[in-house]
This record gives sequence, structure tokens and C-alpha cells, in this order.
Amino acid sequence: NAGVMQNPRHLVRRRGQEARLRCSPVKGHSHVYWYRQLPEEGLKFMVYLQKENIIDESGMPKERFSAEFPKEGPSILRIQQVVRGDSAAYFCASSLTNRASNTEAFFGQGTRLTVV
Amino acid sequence: DAKTTQPNSMESNEEEPVHLPCNHSTISGTDYIHWYRQLPSQGPEYVIHGLTSNVNNRMASLAIAEDRKSSTLILHRATLRDAAVYYCILRANTGTASKLTFGTGTRLQVTL
Repeated sequence: NAGVMQNPRHLVRRRGQEARLRCSPVKGHSHVYWYRQLPEEGLKFMVYLQKENIIDESGMPKERFSAEFPKEGPSILRIQQVVRGDSAAYFCASSLTNRASNTEAFFGQGTRLTVV
Repeated sequence: DAKTTQPNSMESNEEEPVHLPCNHSTISGTDYIHWYRQLPSQGPEYVIHGLTSNVNNRMASLAIAEDRKSSTLILHRATLRDAAVYYCILRANTGTASKLTFGTGTRLQVTL
């Protein structure tokens, strides 16, 4: 029973390049959440997707960042023209439903993005 | 979003119980209390959740105050593997508010 799989685990990009982070949720889960964690800080919510739909992107920077969760395939977090301040750990979580009463969120091991 | 307040850090000796407090005085009637923990260099991990009644599972117990304005996560016998940041989170039951909003959490140190 595979958990949330994120790849790559580590990603190095030069300033101005694009970063694509992939997240395969737990099988059968249709709710995906992306979080960013800066060094020595807490996790900040970025975006919530439910199969092909963006439900809440209130934590996503308005420029350069986008997310998708296609009908087939993993969820993708895309960062265009990366800057040093984008260096962080990016975590993806999935859940079976969005009901807090009976479901937990499963997190991946994260992708550590370093911009040089 | 309703906020939670936790101590920044706590220490415990191995094999002893640990009580991690959380205040959530503005909790709404439909918010669930969730606890997650994050071990070093790993993603967060679900620990336990509850609404009104105390809850037990293989990892921990959750004691919820009668007025629901505070709760306590109880690790019955701390081990070195329990050293982590513990997050107390209020989670709405559905919709966009179901996202987990992490605070700063409590960093638990466990010593021999």
C-alpha cells in the first residue's frame, strides 16, 4: 500500500530555470494539498486540488507558481523562473475525502528545492 | 481560521509520559482537533484527532476539555523516536476549510 510519492526528492535549479515537482497521491485519493516549508519554519499551505479542479489557491504566490492535478497522472507543482527565495521543502499531502471527521491526510517525504 | 497556541518546546525523559498542551479558545462547534508530528527531515505524520470525546490509538491519547477550548496530546511512554515537532490543528469538516493550517508547533526533545 504505497503512500504519497514525491519526486524528485532533491532538485537543484539555477535562477531563472523552471522547477517541476511531482506528487502521486495514495491510490484512490482525489484530494491533494501542497505545502511549502522554508528552513527552520513551519509548513505554509499553498494550494488544494481535487481531481482537475483547483479548490483553494489562497496560499499560492500570484506569479510564477501553478499547480495541476490531471485526471490521469500525478499532481504537478510548477515554479517558473525560480529565484533563491524559492529554495524550500515542498510537501504534498493527499486524503480520501475532505471531511475532517473521518479522514487523515497522508504526507509525502517532500521535494527539497535548492536554487543556486 | 481558528488559531491554536502551543508551547514552543518541551523536554521529556525517555520512558516517561509526555503531555503536550494546546489552547484553541476560538474553536467553532464543527472544528475537529487534529494532531500531526514532523520528525526531522520528514513529512508530517498524522497522530490522532477528535471532536469532543477523549480518543486513544496506538500512538497516543487525546484529552479534550469539556468546553473544547483546550486539548492535550498524551504520549504514554516517550522514546527517542518521538522527538519531533508536534502540531495541534483545527480542521473544519468539509470544503475549502478542510485544509490543514499549521502553526509553529511544539518541539519535543526526548533525552535518555
